[in-house]
Amino acid sequence: GEDVEQSLFLSVREGDSSVINCTYTDSSSTYLYWYKQEPGAGLQLLTYIFSNMDMKQDQRLTVLLNKKDKHLSLRIADTQTGDSAIYFCAESDSNYQLIWGAGTKLIIKP
Amino acid sequence: KAGVTQTPRYLIKTRGQQVTLSCSPISGHRSVSWYQQTPGQGLQFLFEYFSETQRNKGNFPGRFSGRQFSNSRSEMNVSTLELGDSALYLCASSLAGQAEQYFGPGTRLTVT
Repeated sequence: GEDVEQSLFLSVREGDSSVINCTYTDSSSTYLYWYKQEPGAGLQLLTYIFSNMDMKQDQRLTVLLNKKDKHLSLRIADTQTGDSAIYFCAESDSNYQLIWGAGTKLIIKP
Repeated sequence: KAGVTQTPRYLIKTRGQQVTLSCSPISGHRSVSWYQQTPGQGLQFLFEYFSETQRNKGNFPGRFSGRQFSNSRSEMNVSTLELGDSALYLCASSLAGQAEQYFGPGTRLTVT
């Protein structure tokens, strides 16, 4: 079945860029998403990209999609302590049913 | 505009009992999806409702059920609770035909 994979941890220094990677298997994915979850909170939609796009930028966030390799990345520029969270990659088909990765915990070092 | 609300936020139940969780979507959103989040299995899709009809269902046993009312509010029910049902249950709403799903804070269910 469909699968979404991400590394479990990423550690970066405050002020550096963070790059969180994700791979997926479903070639019929229509949308790919990045969500953020802070401790004890629900999921916050950060951004999403349609599968026929290869890049989307929104302020400090840049999403890159390599459809051939089924690889999605999220770059956070100038990482701040408030960016500490778990970041989930997800994909959906035309029914918008989300298939999730396990989440990447972003750790910020001072 | 108010976000997605879920009640109750926390719940403790005993094995064998049943539980009902409620979700009120963002005003104007007619699609409501439910997800289960556990440390072991991560986030898993339960079901999705649109205009009072279940459109999609994930791979969960029949003990998990849901419904949607005419005002788009949704409830999910879990019968004959098991310890493994302990999880954060998240509800998301979206506009019809739109990709963005907005999540509520979740209901933390603990089964003892």
